[in-house]
Amino acid sequence: AQSVTQLGSHVSVSEGALVLLRCNYSSSVPPYLFWYVQYPNQGLQLLLKYTSAATLVKGINGFEAEFKKSETSFHLTKPSAHMSDAAEYFCAVTGGPGGYNKLIFGAGTRLAVHP
Amino acid sequence: EPEVTQTPSHQVTQMGQEVILRCVPISNHLYFYWYRQILGQKVEFLVSFYNNEISEKSEIFDDQFSVERPDGSNFTLKIRSTKLEDSAMYFCASSEFRVFSNQPQHFGDGTRLSIL
Repeated sequence: AQSVTQLGSHVSVSEGALVLLRCNYSSSVPPYLFWYVQYPNQGLQLLLKYTSAATLVKGINGFEAEFKKSETSFHLTKPSAHMSDAAEYFCAVTGGPGGYNKLIFGAGTRLAVHP
Repeated sequence: EPEVTQTPSHQVTQMGQEVILRCVPISNHLYFYWYRQILGQKVEFLVSFYNNEISEKSEIFDDQFSVERPDGSNFTLKIRSTKLEDSAMYFCASSEFRVFSNQPQHFGDGTRLSIL
């Protein structure tokens, strides 16, 4: 069965600093991976998705993620944090045995950005 | 941009009562989903729905839960006899098609269900 682990339930960065949110997955087949963001009192908004076309995926709001099969990772990065990036970020996986049409989410990482 | 809409945004219900959560998926989408997020916990899959029938459901989705697409636009989640542990944020999602499961799911803003 697939699973997702997000290291660090809380990450705090200074405005302008690099953002790195970690995601590791477990899957017996090549996965489809997603990052979603949740702003307070809102739903889940898709940031980006990996679908095997390219290992480096660019998303909205300057975020990108790199799929590394050897490390079973799909970490999310942004070169320079902005105050508006403060939110909760979820890594999710789908596809393969046990979940063709359901998303399996990580526990989420709450990003705080301070001046 | 088209979006998934959910109503109500907050529902307060007495334990044992029935509750219906409503969703309007994106109009050209074919797959519909319900997820829930208990406060402080992961977002969990409940059920997926395609072609007027359930295509997959989780262990959480027991006989107390049901889903329906009563017309061409709405998708509902019914909980027959609510329990305290049903208190959670419930998210509806939809996606275009499933041939390749890389199609992203688009989420609504959720309904916060509080059971008293």
